[in-house]
Amino acid sequence: DIQMTQSPSSLSASVGDRVIITCRASQGISNSLAWYQHKPGKVPRLLIYAASTLQSGVSSRFSGSGSGTGFTLTISSLRPEDVGSYYCQKYNNAPLAFGGGTRVEIK
Amino acid sequence: EVQLVESGGGLVKPGGSLRLSCVASGLTFTNHGLNWVRQAPGKGLEWVSFISTGSSYIFYADSVKGRFTISRDNAKNSVYLQMDSLRDEDTATYYCTTTGYGDLYSLIWGRGTLVTVSS
Repeated sequence: DIQMTQSPSSLSASVGDRVIITCRASQGISNSLAWYQHKPGKVPRLLIYAASTLQSGVSSRFSGSGSGTGFTLTISSLRPEDVGSYYCQKYNNAPLAFGGGTRVEIK
Repeated sequence: EVQLVESGGGLVKPGGSLRLSCVASGLTFTNHGLNWVRQAPGKGLEWVSFISTGSSYIFYADSVKGRFTISRDNAKNSVYLQMDSLRDEDTATYYCTTTGYGDLYSLIWGRGTLVTVSS
C-alpha cells in the first residue's frame, strides 16, 4: 500500500508568514491528492483536491501544487484563524491513506 | 444546506458490536460515494471505508477488514457502518463524509459520533 508522509509534524509561525507543508507519497499517485484543514473543536474541511484545485469558498491564501510523489500546501500569509491541523490524503485508489498531519500554531 | 448527521456511537466492551448510521440531506444522495473516516483521541485522521453510489464498489482499511461492514440505503439517504469484534484501538470519533463527484476524496463531513471501546 502507498504511504503518505507529511512534514513537518508541527510548526510555529508568525502572522503574515508564508507557510509550506509538504506531503510525499511512497509511489506515484498522479494528481489524486487532497488537503484538509481540521481546526480544534470543528469538523475537518476540504481545502484542495486534484493537488491544486481550490475548493469553493476556501480562501485564496491557500494553494496546492505537485504531482506524482511530491506535493505542497502553501498558506501565503498566515492568519490566526488558520491554527489547526492539516492533512494530505491520496485518493487514486483504496486504501485512501492520510498523511500523519501537520499542526500549525501562531508564534 | 447539505448536512450529514451521524448517530449510534457510545460505550461498548471489547469484542462487542455497534452500528453507526449517517443520514444525509440537502443533496442528491445517489450522486455521491460515501466514506467513513475516524480520529482516535490525540491522533490523526484515518480512512476506514468507502461505498460507491450503487454499492458496487466497497473498500476497507486493513485495520477494520473482516470486522466492519459498510452499507447504504439510497431510499433513506443513509449510510451505515456495522462494527463487530470491537477493539480498544477502535475508540475514535467516526465521521461520515460524501465524496467529490466521480472521485474518492471527502467533500462534505458530518459532525461525527464518538465510539468508546472499553471494559
